[in-house]
Amino acid sequence: QVTLRESGPALVKPTQTLTLTCTFSGFSLSTSGMCVSWIRQPPGKALEWLALIDWDDDKYYSASLKTRLTISKDTSKNQVVLKMTNMDPADTATYYCARFVVAFREFDFWGQGTLVTVSS
Amino acid sequence: NFMLTQPHSVSESPGKTVTISCTRSSGSIANNYVQWYQQRPGSAPTTVIYINNQRPSGVPDRFSGSIDSSSNSASLTISGLKTEDEADYYCQSYDSSNWVFGGGTKLTVL
Repeated sequence: QVTLRESGPALVKPTQTLTLTCTFSGFSLSTSGMCVSWIRQPPGKALEWLALIDWDDDKYYSASLKTRLTISKDTSKNQVVLKMTNMDPADTATYYCARFVVAFREFDFWGQGTLVTVSS
Repeated sequence: NFMLTQPHSVSESPGKTVTISCTRSSGSIANNYVQWYQQRPGSAPTTVIYINNQRPSGVPDRFSGSIDSSSNSASLTISGLKTEDEADYYCQSYDSSNWVFGGGTKLTVL
């Protein structure tokens, strides 16, 4: 049974760095073809892809946010961490982590999401 | 980078058929697979179509997907509409290490 769960602060101040952790089970990120991605959704708005890390530790970032994002993994802990620097109120959103399987080209399992509010 | 454009909203009556479009702004729609996700309020998205027209197990065959190279677009068709189909639907595709979601379509079943 595949599960993912996001954790991190619910509130951050402008200019601070956000650190989110995705803890997953039911698969291994060392298995070929397995990836974990971060996707966000501002309140009432569309989904926005942020970053993805694959089994080979290759990392991919949204072009518009690349300079602010860092994704990493700890395979032994079944965790993927996303860091986003210089947070702004416009970054207020629900942040999801999701599994991506290359063979199926889909984000097939998602966490429940965590709402991050950026406010002073 | 490319964009995927969806209608903001569609509505139809129960039992009818509705089609939601997803138009790719640049690059061929046929070059990269299209996925469709359903999102109900307060919940994470779930896949209804992957690889253009494949249904995950558990998704009823009332849901179907297709692509049209002439219009450079993908479509999600839901037949025999049920009130439980009321949700937001997002298309998603990929190109050059960049995953892109459409703006989402709110389906109202009234």
